[in-house]
Amino acid sequence: DAGITQSPRHKVTETGTPVTLRCHQTENHRYMYWYRQDPGHGLRLIHYSYGVKDTDKGEVSDGYSVSRSKTEDFLLTLESATSSQTSVYFCAISGRTSGSYEQYFGPGTRLTVT
Amino acid sequence: GNSVTQMEGPVTLSEEAFLTINCTYTATGYPSLFWYVQYPGEGLQLLLKATKADDKGSNKGFEATYRKETTSFHLEKGSVQVSDSAVYFCALPRDGAGSYQLTFGKGTKLSVIP
Repeated sequence: DAGITQSPRHKVTETGTPVTLRCHQTENHRYMYWYRQDPGHGLRLIHYSYGVKDTDKGEVSDGYSVSRSKTEDFLLTLESATSSQTSVYFCAISGRTSGSYEQYFGPGTRLTVT
Repeated sequence: GNSVTQMEGPVTLSEEAFLTINCTYTATGYPSLFWYVQYPGEGLQLLLKATKADDKGSNKGFEATYRKETTSFHLEKGSVQVSDSAVYFCALPRDGAGSYQLTFGKGTKLSVIP
């Protein structure tokens, strides 16, 4: 299995506070992704990165920002958390070799915004 | 872009029953196809994949054959166990772009009862 960790694993925060989730990989994969998973919506891509300092938006990027200053770390920030951002967040990685599309997922972070 | 349609669940089977979860796709060319499994409280895990037409992916007793004639990649297992209870996702590359993004089906929840 790919070495992917997410921190924290669980977080409860209040509306309006900033929150940062961290994804760390030890596999040297080029691409990293942040998804959210909600009942009835499946997996939705928030942002992704295709290299250090190279990021782009996914389908549900409003209210989220990301940064990638090192190959191994990809941070997701909720600028001002809202209750609609209560979800399970997954990080994924891919692309260690060219043409290798399979993604490997972290264990997830359960975020509750009260 | 590419898309995938997956049978809706939930699916409930008795132990040792035969499992089929249908997945059909629309794609340009012949992209790789994937099945992922998500056990309760965990991230998605790659279950199996097929990289070209007529390939059969297999793992843990599960199989899926890449059928270009019917644009399908159905997941099968001859005898399910309680431990197979999980959500299963079919996936393929979103498109031919270089982002290595995947498009996921909505997931099929399988419950296996003793």
